[in-house]
Amino acid sequence: DQQVKQNSPSLSVQEGRISILNCDYTNSMFDYFLWYKKYPAEGPTFLISISSIKDKNEDGRFTVFLNKSAKHLSLHIVPSQPGDSAVYFCAASSPGNTPLVFGKGTRLSVIA
Amino acid sequence: KAGVTQTPRYLIKTRGQQVTLSCSPISGHRSVSWYQQTPGQGLQFLFEYFSETQRNKGNFPGRFSGRQFSNSRSEMNVSTLELGDSALYLCASSPTGDTGNTIYFGEGSWLTVV
Repeated sequence: DQQVKQNSPSLSVQEGRISILNCDYTNSMFDYFLWYKKYPAEGPTFLISISSIKDKNEDGRFTVFLNKSAKHLSLHIVPSQPGDSAVYFCAASSPGNTPLVFGKGTRLSVIA
Repeated sequence: KAGVTQTPRYLIKTRGQQVTLSCSPISGHRSVSWYQQTPGQGLQFLFEYFSETQRNKGNFPGRFSGRQFSNSRSEMNVSTLELGDSALYLCASSPTGDTGNTIYFGEGSWLTVV
């Protein structure tokens, strides 16, 4: 029973274009969402987060959008760069000291 | 500020052996979580420790155990290793582990069971 789903295992985008990574969740108690980026043989690196009281959060080239009614969030990367090629994980947590629940990841390839 | 440090980075063990992995959290962080990553399975939560107490536990067999010391450093142990335990084991720390806390990962310990 996957509470956080990343339905696209992979995505290819041309350099300079927008990358959109999607994530769906089923648990309506989730109130905090994060995106992590992972290169091979390294640990995940925190990218950006959003609280359920917001619907958008920006940090440089990265923007996360949250649609609570659809239980959907997305990560936009503009413009995409070859160094963005990595696996991106969506994660969510519910109130209290509950552990983060991760999706299975989407592998992004940015082609020069 | 130093990041999360995990040792060893790589190790090979034989079926039936046991293994201990170590994690030093970011200074000041009191919550330490452990995750297992296998191909195609994302990150599966193992357990979380806060102030030397296990607060949360994932759906893993009792062969997987952990502990946290008074300086917040943590270890996890896997006994009677099976081939399916081959994975990347990730440790992460956060200030308190509460919602709204970002957790920061170490580089992981790659375990191969042969």
